Amino acid sequence: QLLLQESGPGLVKPSGTLSLTCTVSGDSMSSRAYYWGWIRQPPGKGLEWIGSINYSGRTSYNPSLKSRVTISADTSKNKFSLNLDSVTAADTALYYCAKYIQNTMRDYWGRGTLVAVSS
Amino acid sequence: QSALTQPASVSGSPGQSITISCTGTSSDIGGFNYVSWYQQYPGKAPKLMIYDVTNRPSGVSTRFSGSKSGNTASLTISGLQAEDEAHYYCSSYTTTNTRVFGGGTHLTVL
Repeated sequence: QLLLQESGPGLVKPSGTLSLTCTVSGDSMSSRAYYWGWIRQPPGKGLEWIGSINYSGRTSYNPSLKSRVTISADTSKNKFSLNLDSVTAADTALYYCAKYIQNTMRDYWGRGTLVAVSS
Repeated sequence: QSALTQPASVSGSPGQSITISCTGTSSDIGGFNYVSWYQQYPGKAPKLMIYDVTNRPSGVSTRFSGSKSGNTASLTISGLQAEDEAHYYCSSYTTTNTRVFGGGTHLTVL
C-alpha cells in the first residue's frame, strides 16, 4: 500500500531555508511511470503547486517560486526533498508531497506537515 | 502562471444539483484533458474526486461528475447531501509541464 510521509522541522527562522523530506513506501521511485511533487497550503488559503521531479532528476517548478526552490530525489532511499530558500512568514503553510503518474492527473498525496516561519 | 478561476462560493439545497466552474486558458485547461478536482474538509488533506476531466477514483460517489468545454472545466454534484459541504479545488496540467490550482470554492449545503 502506498504511503507518502512528509518530515522536517516545524519551525524555520525568517531568511532561513525550509527543508522537507518525503519518504515513499509501497512503491518504487525509480519507475519511469511516476514523478514526485510538492504542494503547499497557507493557513486558511488555497492550494499552491510548488514543483516536481521525475525518475531521471528532471525538475519543474512553479515560476513564482522557481528562484527559491530546489527539489531533489534519492531513489535508492525512496525519498525526495524540498528546499525553499530565503523564507518569510508568507511561506508558513501545510506542505504536502505527492506521487504523480505520467499521462494522467491521477495522484496520491501525503497527509501534510505544517511549517511555520517565525523568529 | 496564473491561478485558475473558480467562484469563491456556491450553495444549494439537499437533493439539488450544483456546478462549480473552473476557468483557465489554452495553456492549461484548454490544452489538455488533464483536469482534476479535489474536495477538502477543514483540517483535512484534499481528496481527489475527479481526474482527467471525467474519471472518478475508486470509492468516489457517482454523484460527482466532471466535464470540460474549451478553457472551462466544471464539477457537478447531483443529489446534494449535507456531507458535500466542503472546499473544492480544480487543478490542471500546463504547457510548461507544471500544474496549477484554482483558488477554491466553498460549497454550502443550505
